[in-house]
Amino acid sequence: GAVVSQHPSWVICKSGTSVKIECRSLDFQATTMFWYRQFPKQSLMLMATSNEGSKATYEQGVEKDKFLINHASLTLSTLTVTSAHPEDSSFYICSAITQRMNTEAFFGQGTRLTVV
Amino acid sequence: EDQVTQSPEALRLQEGESSSLNCSYTVSGLRGLFWYRQDPGKGPEFLFTLYSAGEEKEKERLKATLTKKESFLHITAPKPEDSATYLCAVGSGGYQKVTFGIGTKLQVIP
Repeated sequence: GAVVSQHPSWVICKSGTSVKIECRSLDFQATTMFWYRQFPKQSLMLMATSNEGSKATYEQGVEKDKFLINHASLTLSTLTVTSAHPEDSSFYICSAITQRMNTEAFFGQGTRLTVV
Repeated sequence: EDQVTQSPEALRLQEGESSSLNCSYTVSGLRGLFWYRQDPGKGPEFLFTLYSAGEEKEKERLKATLTKKESFLHITAPKPEDSATYLCAVGSGGYQKVTFGIGTKLQVIP
């Protein structure tokens, strides 16, 4: 399967600061990347979809000014949580697909964000 | 709106005790049904994609089947290393739209 690398795997930040999470496709070009958020004992909730070189599409209820997504190349997408608050603490996961690989998506390792 | 319901939420098996996990779904225009394995604190690991009713796929002790309304993940003679949360998801319409179930947390006891 394809490899998606997400960094960092965990981060602790102070309330009001910003945190950047990177998602890289290591052995394929990702035409589309997805960002999810997962709370304990809940399913993955899609936050946004990003296509290389264009603006991200955000799901209803997700603040685009708070969760900034950049997909500058076919192998890198970043999620920046701006002015983080304790309620933003969660597990953030990215996934990537390419038209060459059917429809399944491959996921990164996830990032555990804790805002104190 | 697409919906995915997985059952049971948690399952505890003795090593070697075979069982099945259920994924019921309602979707407008199924593009694919996906099974993933997720270990604690990690991202989901892809297992299978099923595209049409009647399709089956196998990988080691796992076998996934699909009908028009549900999918089963059969686990034959499980081992402790099979302990994980198994996620089911459906892709519909444009394949970029994927809806996940809450998962089944499987624990296999030696």
